[in-house]
Amino acid sequence: GAVVSQHPSWVICKSGTSVKIECRSLDFQATTMFWYRQFPKQSLMLMATSNEGSKATYEQGVEKDKFLINHASLTLSTLTVTSAHPEDSSFYICSARRDGNTEAFFGQGTRLTVV
Amino acid sequence: DAKTTQPPSMDCAEGRAANLPCNHSTISGNEYVYWYRQIHSQGPQYIIHGLKNNETNEMASLIITEDRKSSTLILPHATLRDTAVYYCIVRGSGNTGKLIFGQGTTLQVKP
Repeated sequence: GAVVSQHPSWVICKSGTSVKIECRSLDFQATTMFWYRQFPKQSLMLMATSNEGSKATYEQGVEKDKFLINHASLTLSTLTVTSAHPEDSSFYICSARRDGNTEAFFGQGTRLTVV
Repeated sequence: DAKTTQPPSMDCAEGRAANLPCNHSTISGNEYVYWYRQIHSQGPQYIIHGLKNNETNEMASLIITEDRKSSTLILPHATLRDTAVYYCIVRGSGNTGKLIFGQGTTLQVKP
């Protein structure tokens, strides 16, 4: 399958700071990327969908000013958690899809801990 | 996108076939059935998907009933490394189709 890479794999930050997570599709161009978060013992929750060159579409209840998503190229999307707080500590996972008729591939996830 | 129902957990003996069921009774004509799995603390891994015909690849087989209201993922010879949470997801085609994860089935493969 295709390769999607996330960076960093884990990050610890202080409360009130911002953290940027990168998601790259290494061997294909992704027209659409998705961002999920996952709390312990729970399923993945879709946060937002982004198409290259356009604004992200956020799921209900996800604050767009807190979780900034940029999909500036066909191989890179970034998620910035602004003014992070301990309750933002979670496992963040990105997914990328070549087009609407193909399967999506997932990154390895980023473990964010806010202290 | 249609909702899916899966048993919360299943056990399987190593070397035997693992059959994971999924109900999707409200699936519509242009929606695909996707299967992913997630091994602890990793991102989900794509397994297989299908529309109405049965599908097979190097990882698994997907059997979809004729009315498309249910499907079964078959791992022909389960190994300990197949222990994971398996997600059955129904998704429409096109760029607006999203993968919405349910609770999935935790498959425990035992020696």
